Parts: sequence; structure tokens; C-alpha cells
Amino acid sequence: DIVMTQSPSSLAVSTGETVTINCKSSQRLLSSGNQKNYLAWYQQKPGQSPKLLIYLASTRESGVPDRFIGSGSGTDFTLTISSVQAEDLADYYCQQHYSYPLTFGSGTKLEI
Amino acid sequence: EVQLVESGGGLVQPGRSLKLSCAASGFTFSNYYMAWVRQAPKKGLEWVATISTSGSRTYSPDSVKGRFTISRDNAKSSLYLQMNSLKSEDAATYYCSRQNNTGTTDYWGQGVMVTVSS
Repeated sequence: DIVMTQSPSSLAVSTGETVTINCKSSQRLLSSGNQKNYLAWYQQKPGQSPKLLIYLASTRESGVPDRFIGSGSGTDFTLTISSVQAEDLADYYCQQHYSYPLTFGSGTKLEI
Repeated sequence: EVQLVESGGGLVQPGRSLKLSCAASGFTFSNYYMAWVRQAPKKGLEWVATISTSGSRTYSPDSVKGRFTISRDNAKSSLYLQMNSLKSEDAATYYCSRQNNTGTTDYWGQGVMVTVSS
């Protein structure tokens, strides 16, 4: 199984700051066939279901603000939130969608 | 608008069974892989099972393999999760979700709570 290690577990920031969340996989998530990295990021606001933000490491889901940026390749990935807004208060999870069993990181709680 | 509505949750004793259902609408159900993901109270997300478009292939982690069965009825646009031999550690909110062609879960239901307790 691919183990996803996410850091930090929590982060306190002020609005307007830039935030970086890291995710490391125990195996490479890069497909040799299409050269794409199978890593997704989700946002879960308090009391809500998760919402897809980023997939294939850097592709933003439709409707997601462009302040959410996914980057990285191989085994090391980053979610950057530029100019954090109060509405970004949430838990953030990475997930590998490279192979079964699908696995998630342990989450990062963003506190504003 | 894509909608996924779960039902069937509740309180169940350890060792008993429960079947969750998910009614899908707003998209061509038969064209998508579907999945269940769970979240224990105050914990992170855990993938539970995925089923292919026709239902011929299913995938699940070792933690539920042999106890949980995912199935679907494309004619009814419905997804199911049969959970047998439930344990206290299966207590969670269970989310029905749609997987897109990259394997990402792009839509999630509101979740249904399962409590396992005597």
C-alpha cells in the first residue's frame, strides 16, 4: 500500500498570508504512460463533505479559486494557498489516485 | 446538478449487519466508477470500496475485505454497501462518491452516520 505522509498536522495563519501544505508518498505517483502524477487535494470545511480542489497534482477542479495551487512530482507534493481567506478555514487532505488501495494523508487543519 | 444521497445508517450492535444505499442523480450513473469513503469521528478520510461501471470489478482495502460488499444497480442509479460483521472501529460517517476517469473522487454525498455499539 502507498503511504501518504502529510505535514504539518495543523497550521495557524492570518488572512492574506501564503500557506504551504506538504504531502509525501511512499512510492512514486508518476505514470510512465502519460507522465502525470496521480495526486489529489481535498478541502473539508467544518460540518461539510470533502470537496475536490486539485487532481493530477496540479489540475484545479472547475470553480476552485486560482489561489489554490498544486505542485510537485514523483513522491513530493505541495498545496499552496496564496492570500488565505477566512473561508479557507478547513481540513485539507492529500490522496493518491495512482493505485488501489486508494490512500489519504492524515490531514492538515488550517486555522485562521 | 450532481446529487448523491445516502441512506440506511444508524445504530447497530457489533457483529451485526447494515446496508447503506446511495441514490445518484444529475449525471449518467452507469458511466462512472463509484466509491464509498468513511470518516470516523474527529478522524481522517479512509477509502472503503470502489466499483466499476458495470459492477464486474470491485476494490477494497484489507480492513473491510471479506466483510463489506459494494454493489450497484445502474437501472436505478443506485449504489450500495453491505456491511457484515461490524466492529466498533467501523463506526463512521460513510460518504458515497463518484470517481472520475482519473480515479479521483469528484463528487461526494452529505454522508450517513453508522454507529456500532452494544
